[in-house]
Amino acid sequence: DAGITQSPRHKVTETGTPVTLRCHQTENHRYMYWYRQDPGHGLRLIHYSYGVKDTDKGEVSDGYSVSRSKTEDFLLTLESATSSQTSVYFCAISEADLTSLTGELFFGEGSRLTVL
Amino acid sequence: QKEVEQDPGPLSVPEGAIVSLNCTYSNSAFQYFMWYRQYSRKGPELLMYTYSSGNKEDGRFTAQVDKSSKYISLFIRDSQPSDSATYLCATPGLGGSYIPTFGRGTSLIVHP
Repeated sequence: DAGITQSPRHKVTETGTPVTLRCHQTENHRYMYWYRQDPGHGLRLIHYSYGVKDTDKGEVSDGYSVSRSKTEDFLLTLESATSSQTSVYFCAISEADLTSLTGELFFGEGSRLTVL
Repeated sequence: QKEVEQDPGPLSVPEGAIVSLNCTYSNSAFQYFMWYRQYSRKGPELLMYTYSSGNKEDGRFTAQVDKSSKYISLFIRDSQPSDSATYLCATPGLGGSYIPTFGRGTSLIVHP
């Protein structure tokens, strides 16, 4: 199994509070991703990173920020959580180099966030 | 319109049935197609991938691509209760972007 750890795995918080989810990898993969998964919507990309301090937005980035100060860590921050951000959040990593034709993603176990 | 469309199901079949899971895609530039399997409360994991048109077989699983109709299929023979999961089709990123596009996923239930 790819070495990906997400923390916390479960969190309940209140509207308006800041929340940070952490993704830690031991694979030294270049690309890291944050997705959210909701019924009826599938996996939606929030932000991704293609290197230390190199990040970009995905399709649902509003209300989220990310940081990657080390290869192994990718943080997702909800500055002021809202009920619409209640979801399951998945971190993924990818080798994403010229030898990887498919760019297979390896996913973490997910972080279940509830915003009351 | 999403670039990859997939019926969410659920699809419920008896054990031993042949299962057909399908996706359509809109961008003819896609060359590779992948199927991920996601068990309940777990992250998705790559099941198999196939390139362009044709079939690829792996045990009880066959992936098929029809580029003329932009149709992707996953067939499961002799389905087992352990195959119960959500199956997501996906295409890798274009132009070296490494940003894959996922379908919404189809929930499959195989009952004994």
